[in-house]
Amino acid sequence: GAGVSQSPSNKVTEKGKDVELRCDPISGHTALYWYRQSLGQGLEFLIYFQGNSAPDKSGLPSDRFSAERTGGSVSTLTIQRTQQEDSAVYLCASSFSLQGPTEAFFGQGTRLTVV
Amino acid sequence: AQSVTQLDSHVSVSEGTPVLLRCNYSSSYSPSLFWYVQHPNKGLQLLLKYTSAATLVKGINGFEAEFKKSETSFHLTKPSAHMSDAAEYFCVVSDPWKSSGDKLTFGTGTRLAVRP
Repeated sequence: GAGVSQSPSNKVTEKGKDVELRCDPISGHTALYWYRQSLGQGLEFLIYFQGNSAPDKSGLPSDRFSAERTGGSVSTLTIQRTQQEDSAVYLCASSFSLQGPTEAFFGQGTRLTVV
Repeated sequence: AQSVTQLDSHVSVSEGTPVLLRCNYSSSYSPSLFWYVQHPNKGLQLLLKYTSAATLVKGINGFEAEFKKSETSFHLTKPSAHMSDAAEYFCVVSDPWKSSGDKLTFGTGTRLAVRP
């Protein structure tokens, strides 16, 4: 596709349920990022992929959060046993980054609401 | 470790007056720096980027930023504000040569309001 695609765009889930958020990066982009933006807050870094490996997972807030990337393309962010504090917009971005960064392109995000 | 500080959480200007959004960074090496804009209910859009070429960088919509290594600053400016500039602005730093790769580190954002 022409841009970074995230699905679903909106997700309402009950507390305690697991959710999966999907990110389709721009074709050929090697770097993929997940961020979280809570209401009125800045962007909180979650995890960064270069290819299929994740050199930096330091932002994952707890062991309920995990992410994977397969084939150097699609990435899935999984939140287990969701809590109300997980409610936020989850943003994915990708960039073509082999020798230094270029522009990161952001998806429209998935708005997660835990009720 | 890299970090970025946006010195003002809110800035309010009158339409037609200059805009200054301040950003200071901390980086262990030669960083790349970006400004992104987020309009209400819209995605993040790149305004401009600095990647060790010219220190004065021009972006879209009349914005520009100057990289000042001695001051570790990358302030965003625009000569004349438009109503459509009202948005959240994020300063971003990256250390591309770190072994862990080029993680983008975002500032906390500056909300720009433009008064008629």
